[in-house]
Amino acid sequence: DSGVTQTPKHLITATGQRVTLRCSPRSGDLSVYWYQQSLDQGLQFLIQYYNGEERAKGNILERFSAQQFPDLHSELNLSSLELGDSALYFCASSVGSGLRSPLHFGNGTRLTVT
Amino acid sequence: GQQVMQIPQYQHVQEGEDFTTYCNSSTTLSNIQWYKQRPGGHPVFLIQLVKSGEVKKQKRLTFQFGEAKKNSSLHITATQTTDVGTYFCAGKGGSEKLVFGKGTKLTVNP
Repeated sequence: DSGVTQTPKHLITATGQRVTLRCSPRSGDLSVYWYQQSLDQGLQFLIQYYNGEERAKGNILERFSAQQFPDLHSELNLSSLELGDSALYFCASSVGSGLRSPLHFGNGTRLTVT
Repeated sequence: GQQVMQIPQYQHVQEGEDFTTYCNSSTTLSNIQWYKQRPGGHPVFLIQLVKSGEVKKQKRLTFQFGEAKKNSSLHITATQTTDVGTYFCAGKGGSEKLVFGKGTKLTVNP
């Protein structure tokens, strides 16, 4: 068990809808990262937050947004969903912000857009 | 932008054979991390390399960081069925992003 909690485990929704994915980092970790993993694709970096502030941004679509709350949990909001957004979304956390500490991944949320 | 390439994409071996996956970056890396993702699971951190030419071992796994800090390799000696999974490298270049390679999927025939 990595200590990172992601909910829900599975999500099935229709095109055009909006969903929210939730992540609680490991106790003591200040950084939260969001990654998207599609079939046969690697881990695409979306966004990183450190102690409530956006730290780095990857190839995150404008339809997607995220935030980290004062209690350090994070939410990833996906709107105007398209079939191509179907993927496994991982949250990871780490102690520091500088990418020198290991990332601890949650079990992921599998999103299916129909 | 920074790219991290991994080869091969797939590798199938007989149990007991050796396995190597290679990771190449388009830019010099400050550090490189390796992760393993079992089928149906999430990536799990294996190791981090920081120094040029660094070699680290974990039992049957040997990790190397190139002298120029632009490439890395993971070698598994005498594979076992428990080694099955996808191995990812991830590196940080000049940007504040940890970029993952697409991974090498290893299958082991018992």
